[in-house]
Amino acid sequence: ETGVTQSPTHLIKTRGQQVTLRCSSQSGHNTVSWYQQALGQGPQFIFQYYREEENGRGNFPPRFSGLQFPNYSSELNVNALELDDSALYLCASSTRGGIDTQYFGPGTRLTVL
Amino acid sequence: GDSVTQMEGPVTLSEEAFLTINCTYTATGYPSLFWYVQYPGEGLQLLLKATKADDKGSNKGFEATYRKETTSFHLEKGSVQVSDSAVYFCGKQTGANNLFFGTGTRLTVIP
Repeated sequence: ETGVTQSPTHLIKTRGQQVTLRCSSQSGHNTVSWYQQALGQGPQFIFQYYREEENGRGNFPPRFSGLQFPNYSSELNVNALELDDSALYLCASSTRGGIDTQYFGPGTRLTVL
Repeated sequence: GDSVTQMEGPVTLSEEAFLTINCTYTATGYPSLFWYVQYPGEGLQLLLKATKADDKGSNKGFEATYRKETTSFHLEKGSVQVSDSAVYFCGKQTGANNLFFGTGTRLTVIP
């Protein structure tokens, strides 16, 4: 069974740039959720994708957007990067309605300079 | 609104000591409750869960009981090991398949 994978591991961008983060869900999972974890804080829910459509969103501006592909992998896109976007971005996959099977990837560390 | 309040860290214990990390929450209804653990450089791993009042979740010697009367879900372990050193997050279900986390408690266990 393949776990959740994320790429890249680390990324450095400058303010105003755009970034794309990628996530491959665990085998058999059709739902992907994205979280932002600022340093010293708990993860905050960004949004969730189920069957290629957004299925819930947290308190994040529209410059945070996403996609889910037919193989259930997903992308998180952030436009017009700000310094406060520096964080660990976590992807979690699960089966629809199975919140207790939400498996997290290792994360992508984004630094905005 | 939603909130999950965890005991502030860091917590430092000697090996074989008893561990308690407090967690309280606000909620409408009875959400499922979770403890996740994050080891250095890794993502979150589900440690244990409870889906209804009075349920006790347990795993790897850790336990937590869903107390609706005190809206609490405290994490306990009778004898910690150095390998338990990590950051522990209390979380609750909010909406469909969405988690709301506390700020985390860093535990360091010294030999």
